[in-house]
Amino acid sequence: DAMVIQNPRYQVTQFGKPVTLSCSQTLNHNVMYWYQQKSSQAPKLLFHYYDKDFNNEADTPDNFQSRRPNTSFCFLDIRSPGLGDAAMYLCATSLYSRATDTQYFGPGTRLTVL
Amino acid sequence: GENVEQHPSTLSVQEGDSAVIKCTYSDSASNYFPWYKQELGKRPQLIIDIRSNVGEKKDQRIAVTLNKTAKHFSLHITETQPEDSAVYFCAAIVGGATNKLIFGTGTLLAVQP
Repeated sequence: DAMVIQNPRYQVTQFGKPVTLSCSQTLNHNVMYWYQQKSSQAPKLLFHYYDKDFNNEADTPDNFQSRRPNTSFCFLDIRSPGLGDAAMYLCATSLYSRATDTQYFGPGTRLTVL
Repeated sequence: GENVEQHPSTLSVQEGDSAVIKCTYSDSASNYFPWYKQELGKRPQLIIDIRSNVGEKKDQRIAVTLNKTAKHFSLHITETQPEDSAVYFCAAIVGGATNKLIFGTGTLLAVQP
């Protein structure tokens, strides 16, 4: 019954080596979000897509980019991972972008940077 | 911008007791307040939410109260069980017309059997 799927669940990369995280959804939701959650901290929104419209948070580093080739898939690209980018990356979806639209989270990808 | 504070950061209760987690927010335009439960290594899951047009909402052992004047909202869990042990995050929507969530810093709830 997985509705928001993230692959891989665990990703190890080297300092400076580009990495891509994947999210897919079976809910046919219009909005997809990427959050960064560091250890013992709250999830922090990086950016989101409403359909093909990309919305970047002002404090999201340029090192982070995203692609949404179709409704079902969204990718998080980290161009040059640093040690500080080690975190859990959570994808979420919502039907619309109204304030009361519930966000459904995927299981996350835990990124380790060596 | 919106800021959400959450207390306590850790909470230990005996099985069967009640647990209360409190949050305050800064943006008076916020009108939606969800609570998420995150078990270790798992995804955050919505457990209850409240809109600004009501003061209280209950779902079995879980209830949420909202005081718009004071800009605070609370999660109440009654008859706690060991499976309630998790990190709980409160959140608030930025403004009233966006879907951007600002999360609190989380409360680690431990229910001792």
